[in-house]
Amino acid sequence: DGGITQSPKYLFRKEGQNVTLSCEQNLNHDAMYWYRQDPGQGLRLIYYSQIVNDFQKGDIAEGYSVSREKKESFPLTVTSAQKNPTAFYLCASSIGQALVRTNEKLFFGSGTQLSVL
Amino acid sequence: QKEVEQNSGPLSVPEGAIASLNCTYSDRGSQSFFWYRQYSGKSPELIMSIYSNGDKEDGRFTAQLNKASQYVSLLIRDSQPSDSATYLCAVNKNTDKLIFGTGTRLQVFP
Repeated sequence: DGGITQSPKYLFRKEGQNVTLSCEQNLNHDAMYWYRQDPGQGLRLIYYSQIVNDFQKGDIAEGYSVSREKKESFPLTVTSAQKNPTAFYLCASSIGQALVRTNEKLFFGSGTQLSVL
Repeated sequence: QKEVEQNSGPLSVPEGAIASLNCTYSDRGSQSFFWYRQYSGKSPELIMSIYSNGDKEDGRFTAQLNKASQYVSLLIRDSQPSDSATYLCAVNKNTDKLIFGTGTRLQVFP
């Protein structure tokens, strides 16, 4: 089945530690995105990538880093510089980057809940 | 002013009624508009997308777009308890990313 796989489902971070969230898609989508969702809040964009080896900062990129070495993979690292990392992290992908044509919809993975120990 | 605004709710409607969810946006250049449904602890799933002014119907769902007034709405007819969820409005901005509202929590009671 085609889809987006995020792992792990739950992740705990110790103070000062970097952690990496995995996101893999087999939909052959060009664009991939990372969103953060806090309780009772909408989704805020962290980073996005429209093509391999290229990515752009979203609205809340500080304390996070990403890589896009392969089309199907877009891992997110939450660094020790992110002082309030507890949130639900969602990875998404879309066929095209413009999101204006009828087939360019955003598909989400199942999410990773990150908590601080 | 937030880029995409929604009433957080909860919006409570009886089973079988019409639920009306509203969203306003600030960027007049926005081109595409989406409604996502999100159950607690789950990822959002796409319900409707709309790109031009007017109504778009899909089963019990109708999306309405008014670009002049900068609002988009979602109507759910014959509401069911299984429709109880948070509904997120998302708007395309600058053609390369979506901006999400904070969501409206809908409660459908029997």
